[in-house]
Amino acid sequence: DAKTTQPNSMESNEEEPVHLPCNHSTISGTDYIHWYRQLPSQGPEYVIHGLTSNVNNRMASLAIAEDRKSSTLILHRATLRDAAVYYCILIYNFNKFYFGSGTKLNVKP
Amino acid sequence: EAGVAQSPRYKIIEKRQSVAFWCNPISGHATLYWYQQILGQGPKLLIQFQNNGVVDDSQLPKDRFSAERLKGVDSTLKIQPAKLEDSAVYLCASSPPGQGRHEQFFGPGTRLTVL
Repeated sequence: DAKTTQPNSMESNEEEPVHLPCNHSTISGTDYIHWYRQLPSQGPEYVIHGLTSNVNNRMASLAIAEDRKSSTLILHRATLRDAAVYYCILIYNFNKFYFGSGTKLNVKP
Repeated sequence: EAGVAQSPRYKIIEKRQSVAFWCNPISGHATLYWYQQILGQGPKLLIQFQNNGVVDDSQLPKDRFSAERLKGVDSTLKIQPAKLEDSAVYLCASSPPGQGRHEQFFGPGTRLTVL
């Protein structure tokens, strides 16, 4: 069963970088790694995704380990609006999804 | 571009009653998902449609939950009869087809309270 493991919570200071880790040791070669975040009382919001190579977009960077058994979401400068629950999700068997419990990120001013 | 629409936003019912939720995905998105999110947990996929066909409903409690997507656009999720443990937020999401290559777009959800 494809699963992800994330820390329950993390804390960061505003304006500092944040590294959110995710372990997915059962990943196979065709499984995509997606990251979403969920603000209070809202639906999840897409952040970034990748397959093998590191990815960058306007919101964040995704660093994928060489063996693909782990990945790290990097927020380069945390703001108070980045406080949310961050989910690392495996898209496995081409169309099946696994959401873990996520990491609750607290950003301190 | 309009996002995923869901209604109602909130619903309170008593146990053993029936309830239905509606979802309108983003135009052109062939894939539609229904998730159940219990307080403090991550979303759990209930059912996935590709156009109007079911791709995965392995976690849908079929004795009480049903879903349909007529004409491959709008979708409804029904619970009949509701139980206390069905209290949750029900999220609808849509995406273009692409086997994990594309992001999912989520609606705001429907918060169901079963008394």
